[in-house]
Amino acid sequence: DIVMTQSPDSLAVSLGERATINCKSSQSVLYSSNNKNYLAWYQQKPGQPPKLLIYWASTRESGVPDRFSGSGSGTDFTLTISSLQAEDVAVYYCQQYYSTMYSFGQGTKLEIK
Amino acid sequence: EVQLVESGGGLVQPGGSLKLSCAASGFTFSGSAMHWVRQASGKGLEWVGRIRSKANSYATAYAASVKGRFTISRDDSKNTAYLQMNSLKTEDTAVYYCTSPPTGRWGQGTLVTVSS
Repeated sequence: DIVMTQSPDSLAVSLGERATINCKSSQSVLYSSNNKNYLAWYQQKPGQPPKLLIYWASTRESGVPDRFSGSGSGTDFTLTISSLQAEDVAVYYCQQYYSTMYSFGQGTKLEIK
Repeated sequence: EVQLVESGGGLVQPGGSLKLSCAASGFTFSGSAMHWVRQASGKGLEWVGRIRSKANSYATAYAASVKGRFTISRDDSKNTAYLQMNSLKTEDTAVYYCTSPPTGRWGQGTLVTVSS
């Protein structure tokens, strides 16, 4: 099983500042035959299902603001919010879809400082 | 419009059974793998299991925490996926979502409460 570990568990950032969330997988999620990283990022607000932000580690889902970006490869990944807005307060999860069991990170709670 | 609608949640006693349904519309359900994910109150997301499409032999896979107790099935003629949950434990209490990762397709979830 692939274990996904996010850091930090919680994060407080001032409005307009950059927020960075990290995700590390216990083994590579890079598929060599197509050179794609099988890694997604989700945003979840209270009482709502998760919302897909990023897939293939760096491809932004349609309609997601361009202040959200994903980077990384292999085992280390980052979600960056370039300029934090009030509506970005949420819990963020990474998920690998490389192995049979699509495991999630434990989540990172993002708040306003 | 893409929609996933879960139903069938409720209160059940420990050791009991429950069957959840996930009705899909707005996309090619028969060609899509369908997954179940759960979330206990105040906790993170936990992958439960999945069923692949007919082209992939309806292959199923389950998390260790539910293997042998939960069964995922599908009826492509009804565009519906199912999660049969047996031998339920209190720790199975959660909101259960159906989803089709890594797309943005998620249902709103259905609450399962296992309590005496």
